[in-house]
Amino acid sequence: DAGVIQSPRHEVTEMGQEVTLRCKPISGHNSLFWYRQTMMRGLELLIYFNNNVPIDDSGMPEDRFSAKMPNASFSTLKIQPSEPRDSAVYFCASSGGQGNTGELFFGEGSRLTVL
Amino acid sequence: DQQVKQNSPSLSVQEGRISILNCDYTNSMFDYFLWYKKYPAEGPTFLISISSIKDKNEDGRFTVFLNKSAKHLSLHIVPSQPGDSAVYFCAASPGALNFGKGTSLLVTP
Repeated sequence: DAGVIQSPRHEVTEMGQEVTLRCKPISGHNSLFWYRQTMMRGLELLIYFNNNVPIDDSGMPEDRFSAKMPNASFSTLKIQPSEPRDSAVYFCASSGGQGNTGELFFGEGSRLTVL
Repeated sequence: DQQVKQNSPSLSVQEGRISILNCDYTNSMFDYFLWYKKYPAEGPTFLISISSIKDKNEDGRFTVFLNKSAKHLSLHIVPSQPGDSAVYFCAASPGALNFGKGTSLLVTP
């Protein structure tokens, strides 16, 4: 079974540019999560969706961040305009489906560097 | 405001010895706790979990202990192996998982 797939794995951009991170969850999972990892704050929840509907976006840092889940197999996290302090590793995770134990399955992450 | 705290950023243990990683939480509504392991350049992977109705769960070399009155849990790895060197995250639910900042474990030969 394919796991959670994220793209791009690495992104280097300049301040002010738009960044779009993509995620394909595990087929059959009905919950999708976006996390950000930094040294200072560890793994922070940004937003999560249940059945494609955003449930909690209180972790989204500011209006520059937006996330969408147009269907059960795709989600995007967009940062516009990007700033150097957005540099981090962004993880997408999914959960749910039959035999759900509450465990999250993570992608390999997208490392973002904003110069 | 972090509801799950891992106060030790790093831990070094000799191979064969016990590794003990600690985690504290503040939200008494949490009823399910998980430990994740993360290698560099990879996503976190699930290691072991415990429900609040239990105080211990064991899986091979890994045991998680839960002390609800102290709002504290710990992960014991016995015996520790060099391949256990990774960052370990404690997480709590319900809802979306709240993660601690992680503890970097180094197991030396």
